Amino acid sequence: ILNVEQSPQSLHVQEGDSTNFTCSFPSSNFYALHWYRWETAKSPEALFVMTLNGDEKKKGRISATLNTKEGYSYLYIKGSQPEDSATYLCAFKHREGSQGNLIFGKGTKLSVKP
Amino acid sequence: EADIYQTPRYLVIGTGKKITLECSQTMGHDKMYWYQQDPGMELHLIHYSYGVNSTEKGDLSSESTVSRIRTEHFPLTLESARPSHTSQYLCASSEDRGNYGYTFGSGTRLTVV
Repeated sequence: ILNVEQSPQSLHVQEGDSTNFTCSFPSSNFYALHWYRWETAKSPEALFVMTLNGDEKKKGRISATLNTKEGYSYLYIKGSQPEDSATYLCAFKHREGSQGNLIFGKGTKLSVKP
Repeated sequence: EADIYQTPRYLVIGTGKKITLECSQTMGHDKMYWYQQDPGMELHLIHYSYGVNSTEKGDLSSESTVSRIRTEHFPLTLESARPSHTSQYLCASSEDRGNYGYTFGSGTRLTVV
């Protein structure tokens, strides 16, 4: 059974704090790793799709790294703002099996206090 | 502006009723998906489609069925709703190339009483 683990489950930070979350996934048969931001009452929104070991992606204050050999990805938020409050999901796509099979973690729920 | 639309947003319905959850996208994506999420749990894939007249079951067993008669439309049907079907259902679509993220709808929160 393929599992994607995310930690921590939830996080409360003050505005201006920098923070990071972890996503762990199977290191064999890797194809891609996705990160999504899901704000309450909205749709999940794609942040990054990463495919190569050592990949680093950046979008404004948010960045992500990927280590496919050991099976983990980090998401960093620099200088958190209240509008960053959301659940951050990672999802793993493996090479074998159905092309439609993105396996999601339970997410990390971030709350940023003003 | 949403490119993928789900209706209804919320639905409370009695046991035994037939329901259809609608999902439409305007991006011309061939690949579409239905995910189910229970509170505090992961999104689980229940159905997917690679194009018109193509449908497959996902990893999570579901009593629902889907159809794909038009590229833009991917409805999900429950013939006889039960309380165990209470959940959130999310529709998504993606480009054919594998390195693009999914576009999700806003979801339907279904409660069967």
